[in-house]
Amino acid sequence: EADIYQTPRYLVIGTGKKITLECSQTMGHDKMYWYQQDPGMELHLIHYSYGVNSTEKGDLSSESTVSRIRTEHFPLTLESARPSHTSQYLCASSEYKGQGAGETQYFGPGTRLLVL
Amino acid sequence: AQSVTQLGSHVSVSEGALVLLRCNYSSSVPPYLFWYVQYPNQGLQLLLKYTSAATLVKGINGFEAEFKKSETSFHLTKPSAHMSDAAEYFCAVSVYSGGGADGLTFGKGTHLIIQP
Repeated sequence: EADIYQTPRYLVIGTGKKITLECSQTMGHDKMYWYQQDPGMELHLIHYSYGVNSTEKGDLSSESTVSRIRTEHFPLTLESARPSHTSQYLCASSEYKGQGAGETQYFGPGTRLLVL
Repeated sequence: AQSVTQLGSHVSVSEGALVLLRCNYSSSVPPYLFWYVQYPNQGLQLLLKYTSAATLVKGINGFEAEFKKSETSFHLTKPSAHMSDAAEYFCAVSVYSGGGADGLTFGKGTHLIIQP
């Protein structure tokens, strides 16, 4: 059973507001990820982290930012939300066990964001 | 760069019939391949993964997939569909560089419909 949590599960907010989506995992995984998923579409990697103080941008350009101050916590922030940010955001974590081990990413339940 | 193509955005089968969900990948290096399932309003759950140990991979809930390098395919099958199998299925690929995988590349997903 994966222990990765996301809050809030649903968020409706007005344009221009600053928001932070929370993601926490209790598995001690070094690596964490944020994916964006539009309805009926595939997931796109927007941010990832190899560990504390490590953050990288993913394949899909995003106006969001992330931080990794603690191993278990990987929050995503939008400084000024816009309707184009309406989407589902999924957080995941994994543990590097060496090449050939095939890392398994464990996903949280997601946050559905609606920006009006 | 790697990519994944899932043939058929929607697949409909009768309860008790064979389930076949198709996935083809593109990768310049040996890939690691995954199938995830997503139920409504939930995150992704790992069904199975290929890590080069065996070409036929068995997963949870009676699913299995076969890696065929010559066909660059990783199709998902289940001998007998159950109503509870209705969900969105995602095929994904990852490759390793340096300290591990840099995230998953997903297909667009296949919505599996089970007819009673």
